[in-house]
Amino acid sequence: KNEVEQSPQNLTAQEGEFITINCSYSVGISALHWLQQHPGGGIVSLFMLSSGKKKHGRLIATINIQEKHSSLHITASHPRDSAVYICAAAIKAAGNKLTFGGGTRVLVKP
Amino acid sequence: GAVVSQHPSWVICKSGTSVKIECRSLDFQATTMFWYRQFPKQSLMLMATSNEGSKATYEQGVEKDKFLINHASLTLSTLTVTSAHPEDSSFYICSASPTGAEQYFGPGTRLTVT
Repeated sequence: KNEVEQSPQNLTAQEGEFITINCSYSVGISALHWLQQHPGGGIVSLFMLSSGKKKHGRLIATINIQEKHSSLHITASHPRDSAVYICAAAIKAAGNKLTFGGGTRVLVKP
Repeated sequence: GAVVSQHPSWVICKSGTSVKIECRSLDFQATTMFWYRQFPKQSLMLMATSNEGSKATYEQGVEKDKFLINHASLTLSTLTVTSAHPEDSSFYICSASPTGAEQYFGPGTRLTVT
């Protein structure tokens, strides 16, 4: 079992819909990252959080340390949000090395 | 803030040649830089961790003589793929950390070896 699990693997939404991507981890972490990777490959750091909630535009990331779970929400989704979203946990026992989830491929249809 | 750049964004080279990829932290000093590799439809895999002024620490299975990492300053790390082969074709991504905890990712470099 991977230390970091993401769900769903694939997600298709209609433009305007609310999207939620989940990330669960099984070990102690110092921080959790949410990354966005577009089809061209470039990676964008969306959030890094160790507690609570962060918001940037239409994106919201939350983390529950006790439950070892984080979510990324996209409100009012748009076709340009189509990308792969990756969560990555900085593992304390591994000197804060990142362990990556398998990614969630999001397609937002117009 | 916390911008990391990579150069080049893509490169094509012939088998047997070497290619250098640069990773720069533009608005902060990076005590630690990380190099990752990503094959198609796979997740990122950590190749090595480098601290400024020290030798890089390579992950198991990564050949240190093939993937030369230099972290000569607090804003620049380079990855040189020596004697490149087609199987080295991949997407190489760096990240930089001011404290060793948080990481800020570069946009990646796509390497194609012909």
